[in-house]
Amino acid sequence: ETGVTQSPTHLIKTRGQQVTLRCSSQSGHNTVSWYQQALGQGPQFIFQYYREEENGRGNFPPRFSGLQFPNYSSELNVNALELDDSALYLCASSYGTASYEQYFGPGTRLTVT
Amino acid sequence: DQQVKQNSPSLSVQEGRISILNCDYTNSMFDYFLWYKKYPAEGPTFLISISSIKDKNEDGRFTVFLNKSAKHLSLHIVPSQPGDSAVYFCAASYLRGTSYDKVIFGPGTSLSVIP
Repeated sequence: ETGVTQSPTHLIKTRGQQVTLRCSSQSGHNTVSWYQQALGQGPQFIFQYYREEENGRGNFPPRFSGLQFPNYSSELNVNALELDDSALYLCASSYGTASYEQYFGPGTRLTVT
Repeated sequence: DQQVKQNSPSLSVQEGRISILNCDYTNSMFDYFLWYKKYPAEGPTFLISISSIKDKNEDGRFTVFLNKSAKHLSLHIVPSQPGDSAVYFCAASYLRGTSYDKVIFGPGTSLSVIP
């Protein structure tokens, strides 16, 4: 049974650019949630996808968007990057929308300069 | 508006002693609470949880206590081991309809267990 994987591990982008982060869910999981963890803070919920549909969203602007594919892998896209978008981005997969039973990937560290 | 608070950013404990990590919450709708542990360069891993219908849940060396009237929970680790050194996140959620709403995390407490 493979765990949750994320790519890339680290990424440096310039303000105004666009970025795509990828997540491969744990085998058998059909739900993925994305979180942003700024330095010194806990993870903040961005959105959740269940069976390829968005199933809840946190307080993030529309320039944060996502996709979930039929194999339940997922992407997080961020447009018009801002300096404050610099953070660790975590994805977590689960079976069903009981999001507390979720398994996290190691994260992607995004730096916006 | 921080709904889940962990007021101690860090804690140091001697190996073999008890570690007590505290968490306070403000939203009375929360009815499910979780603790996650995070090592550097890894994602958070689920440690233990408690439903609001209970006031204590125990799993090996880890016990979580919930005081609903005070909107306070704590994680006890006994005995503490050097491998327990990590950042601990308190988190909360509530049942919305037929499924749980998003999980709200606290800012974390960094635990150091000194050999």
